[in-house]
Amino acid sequence: DIQLTQSPSFLSASVGDRVTITCRASQGISSYLAWYQQKPGKAPELLIYAASTLQSGVPSRFSGSGSGTEFTLTISSLQPEDFATYYCQQLNGYPRFTFGPGTKVHIK
Amino acid sequence: EVQLLESGGGLVEPGRSLRLSCTASGFSFGDYAVNWIRLAPGKGLEWISFIKSKIYGETIEYAASVKGRFTISRDDSKSIAYLQMDSLKTEDTAVYYCGRGVYNSNMYYSDSWGQGTLVTVSS
Repeated sequence: DIQLTQSPSFLSASVGDRVTITCRASQGISSYLAWYQQKPGKAPELLIYAASTLQSGVPSRFSGSGSGTEFTLTISSLQPEDFATYYCQQLNGYPRFTFGPGTKVHIK
Repeated sequence: EVQLLESGGGLVEPGRSLRLSCTASGFSFGDYAVNWIRLAPGKGLEWISFIKSKIYGETIEYAASVKGRFTISRDDSKSIAYLQMDSLKTEDTAVYYCGRGVYNSNMYYSDSWGQGTLVTVSS
């Protein structure tokens, strides 16, 4: 089974900071990866699919990169509304749609 | 506007059953796949089940943690997807979300999710 790990698990940052979250897959998954943001009590929101394609309506400060086994989500300038938990999700391996454990971004 | 509304959650005893519904509006439901995921207290998101659209054969997949206990289905005439949950365990306690499954760039992903329904399994 393909497993995803994320680092860091927790991240303290300030408004305006550049933030990078890493997702690693136990096997190569090409570009079959999505990133989601979830706030407490809310539904997940799709940010990125196909590793680097920005979902329509998502601010351009979010970007994704990587392929194979290592992926990154970058927030170029953290905004107050970005404090949330971020998950990567693989879209092709077995079992399909496995999520990473999440990275919680909170205010420093 | 794409909308998904989960219903059917509640308090249930271990070993019992529950059926969740996901009612869709604002798009042609039959053209899309459906995903179910859950968020247990203090845990991260867990993918549970997936069903393709009829044109793609309504192929179904399950996570190992629910395979043999949960059954996903869909009724395109009503724009509803279902998650039948049998032999429930305390570890199934979670908020359950359904998502619209999009096929794009040679892959499926969910671009919209409902607000979730809480399932509590406890005696």
